[in-house]
Amino acid sequence: ETGVTQSPTHLIKTRGQQVTLRCSSQSGHNTVSWYQQALGQGPQFIFQYYREEENGRGNFPPRFSGLQFPNYSSELNVNALELDDSALYLCASSWDRKGTGELFFGEGSRLTVL
Amino acid sequence: GESVGLHLPTLSVQEGDNSIINCAYSNSASDYFIWYKQESGKGPQFIIDIRSNMDKRQGQRVTVLLNKTVKHLSLQIAATQPGDSAVYFCAETDQTGANNLFFGTGTRLTVIP
Repeated sequence: ETGVTQSPTHLIKTRGQQVTLRCSSQSGHNTVSWYQQALGQGPQFIFQYYREEENGRGNFPPRFSGLQFPNYSSELNVNALELDDSALYLCASSWDRKGTGELFFGEGSRLTVL
Repeated sequence: GESVGLHLPTLSVQEGDNSIINCAYSNSASDYFIWYKQESGKGPQFIIDIRSNMDKRQGQRVTVLLNKTVKHLSLQIAATQPGDSAVYFCAETDQTGANNLFFGTGTRLTVIP
């Protein structure tokens, strides 16, 4: 059984650029959630994907978008990057879309926006 | 809106002592609570959860207590070990429809050998 894997682990972008982060869910999990964790803060929910459709969204602007593929892997896309987008982006997979199942987190992608 | 906060941002304990990490929540509709441990450079790791129809749940060396009257949650770690050093987050959600977790700011636990 493989865990949640994310790529890239670290990346640096400049303001205005676009970024794509990738996540492979744990085997057997059909739900992927993305969280943003600013330095010294708890993770904040961005959105969740269940069976390739968005299944809930947090308080993030439309320039944060995502995809889920038939194999349940997922992408997070952020357009028009801003300095405040610098954070650790966490992907979590689960078998339960209602958030009551145990979430398995990846180690995150650390994004720095200059 | 919901807010999940912690009383103390840092906690230092001697190895072998018991640790208690506290968390306050404000959303009365929240009915499922989880504690996560996050080590440096890693993603959060599930420790233990509790549903609102319970007031106590025990795991291996850990106990979670829930007081719905004062909207307070605590994590007790018995015989704290150096490997327990990490940031601990409480998270809450509403099972009736929500699919996202609201995390608190976190408490950094440091175990002194």
